[in-house]
Amino acid sequence: KQEVTQIPAALSVPEGENLVLNCSFTDSAIYNLQWFRQDPGKGLTSLLLIQSSQREQTSGRLNASLDKSSGRSTLYIAASQPGDSATYLCAVNGNQFYFGTGTSLTVIP
Amino acid sequence: SAVISQKPSRDICQRGTSLTIQCQVDSQVTMMFWYRQQPGQSLTLIATANQGSEATYESGFVIDKFPISRPNLTFSTLTVSNMSPEDSSIYLCSVEPTRGQGNPDTQYFGPGTRLTVL
Repeated sequence: KQEVTQIPAALSVPEGENLVLNCSFTDSAIYNLQWFRQDPGKGLTSLLLIQSSQREQTSGRLNASLDKSSGRSTLYIAASQPGDSATYLCAVNGNQFYFGTGTSLTVIP
Repeated sequence: SAVISQKPSRDICQRGTSLTIQCQVDSQVTMMFWYRQQPGQSLTLIATANQGSEATYESGFVIDKFPISRPNLTFSTLTVSNMSPEDSSIYLCSVEPTRGQGNPDTQYFGPGTRLTVL
C-alpha cells in the first residue's frame, strides 16, 4: 500500500521568507501528484498537479517538483504571506488518492 | 470546476446514535468519494459511490457502519451508524469532474463535516 509522508509536520516562518515543504511516497507507480491547501471549514483546494511524466509545475509564487524515481516532491513557496497560513497536503494518485498527514504552515506578519 | 456543499458543517452527537451527512454538487458527476480525516491524520478513503450501483468500500470500512446512498448524479449521503468517540473526525465528500467540467486528473472537495461524538 502507498504511504505518503510529509515533513515537517508544522512550520512557522516570518512574512517574506521563502520556504520548502517536503513529501515522500513509497510506490513510484503513480499517475500524478497533487498539492492541496486545507483551510478550516473550507475543504481542500488544489494548488498544483504534476503528471508522472513531468518534473515540475509553477503557479504564481508556488513551484512544485517531482522526482518519481526517488519518491519525492517539494513545494516551494516564495515570499510567504500571512494568507498562506494553512495546512498543505500532498496526495499521490495511483489507483486512488493517497494523502500525506500535511504540514501546518503559519506565516507571522 | 464543480462546487460542492455538505450538510451539516458540524455536529456533536451522543454515542450509539447515527448521523447522515449530505453532499450536493452543482453539476452531474459520475464518481463521488467519501473520505475521513481523523484528528492529526491524513485523509482516508472510505468508499466510492457511483450512481446506480452499490458503493465500493475500502479495506477497514463496511456498509453496516457507513451506509451510502447515491440516488442521482448530483447527490450522495454518508451515514455514520452506532457512533462511538472514535468516529470523531472530519468527513469530506469529493467528486471527479466530468470531462469538460474541470481537470479529470483531480478531485474537487466539499468543505467537510466536523463530527464530534461524546
